[in-house]
Amino acid sequence: EPEVTQTPSHQVTQMGQEVILRCVPISNHLYFYWYRQILGQKVEFLVSFYNNEISEKSEIFDDQFSVERPDGSNFTLKIRSTKLEDSAMYFCASSEDSSYNEKLFFGSGTQLSVL
Amino acid sequence: RKEVEQDPGPFNVPEGATVAFNCTYSNSASQSFFWYRQDCRKEPKLLMSVYSSGNEDGRFTAQLNRASQYISLLIRDSKLSDSATYLCVVTSGGSYIPTFGRGTSLIVHP
Repeated sequence: EPEVTQTPSHQVTQMGQEVILRCVPISNHLYFYWYRQILGQKVEFLVSFYNNEISEKSEIFDDQFSVERPDGSNFTLKIRSTKLEDSAMYFCASSEDSSYNEKLFFGSGTQLSVL
Repeated sequence: RKEVEQDPGPFNVPEGATVAFNCTYSNSASQSFFWYRQDCRKEPKLLMSVYSSGNEDGRFTAQLNRASQYISLLIRDSKLSDSATYLCVVTSGGSYIPTFGRGTSLIVHP
């Protein structure tokens, strides 16, 4: 069964450092997402991406965040200068289409710890 | 008011029990509804979509009440492996972005 893959599974970084989280969505999917989940809290939407551009973003996704699809398979989330409050599990997801009934397929996540 | 609200639980039930969760949503223009399952420190996985007429998948039944703006999930004959957090997900009118509730924790014990 095709799956979304994320690397690394764990990332530890110092406050102020840049991190890049990587994702390989399912190959025939066209819509890509980043969500995050702070420990004990709900899954929160960050950004969606389609046709090489951001389609929607939340208020969490400020100027410190950026996304990129550098080639035909990878989808990355960059945090330019990490803060302690960026510590969370970051999930990448993809969907075949973007409609109200579309189902998301999630990767297994990257646990980011900012020290 | 939160967009999607769930009782966090935990619901602690014996094997074989029937358990039901509710989820309320604030946007009356919401279009699509789903239940996802999340195991501890794992990714959410789609359990089932929720249709207006209600739908069933084995031991799981989902229902939608648009008038009262809630959806429900009923699990019959609970198994130990059903222990997880159940996430209510709603896609609202004007946005295709699924919004997650905080989840309801279920613990099934022997």
